[in-house]
Amino acid sequence: EAGVAQSPRYKIIEKRQSVAFWCNPISGHATLYWYQQILGQGPKLLIQFQNNGVVDDSQLPKDRFSAERLKGVDSTLKIQPAKLEDSAVYLCASSSVRGNTEAFFGQGTRLTVV
Amino acid sequence: QQPVQSPQAVILREGEDAVINCSSSKALYSVHWYRQKHGEAPVFLMILLKGGEQKGHDKISASFNEKKQQSSLYLTASQLSYSGTYFCGSRSQGAQKLVFGQGTRLTINP
Repeated sequence: EAGVAQSPRYKIIEKRQSVAFWCNPISGHATLYWYQQILGQGPKLLIQFQNNGVVDDSQLPKDRFSAERLKGVDSTLKIQPAKLEDSAVYLCASSSVRGNTEAFFGQGTRLTVV
Repeated sequence: QQPVQSPQAVILREGEDAVINCSSSKALYSVHWYRQKHGEAPVFLMILLKGGEQKGHDKISASFNEKKQQSSLYLTASQLSYSGTYFCGSRSQGAQKLVFGQGTRLTINP
């Protein structure tokens, strides 16, 4: 079974630039999560999708972050414009159904804003 | 609300035992445990779905005390491969989102 795919693995940008991350969840997984993990901290949920609908985006900085999940499959997370404090690993995860099942994580995208 | 984990860090010798606690100020619906090694993605360990439930495989087990709104992860006779950061994730009653604690760094020395 193929895992959660994310790209790119690494990205370095200057502050005020824009950046986009892509995630392809495990086939058939209805729930997709985007987490931000700052070095030394736990993953912070940015947005959770159920199919192509948003379940929770209460911690997504909507003035600069946006996310979409086209046709309930792939997802893109965008930051525009980036700030220094956005430097983190962005993890995408997916699970098979809503509720209490295992979430599978991708390798993440390490973003450095300089 | 983010669950709170304790301790923040543990250093053990191989073969020793460890307990990691996870507590929440909100009523918990379920608790998820993950381990993350440096530079890698979190890996699922187990889910506890109801109060009083206990689970385990190999020498890693966990319990869920619904009344105390806390869960504990037990690592018995620790191995070098157990090193990493352990995260608990929780879902509260009525909430769908999965929220993680700040993590507990476990170091196992030979």
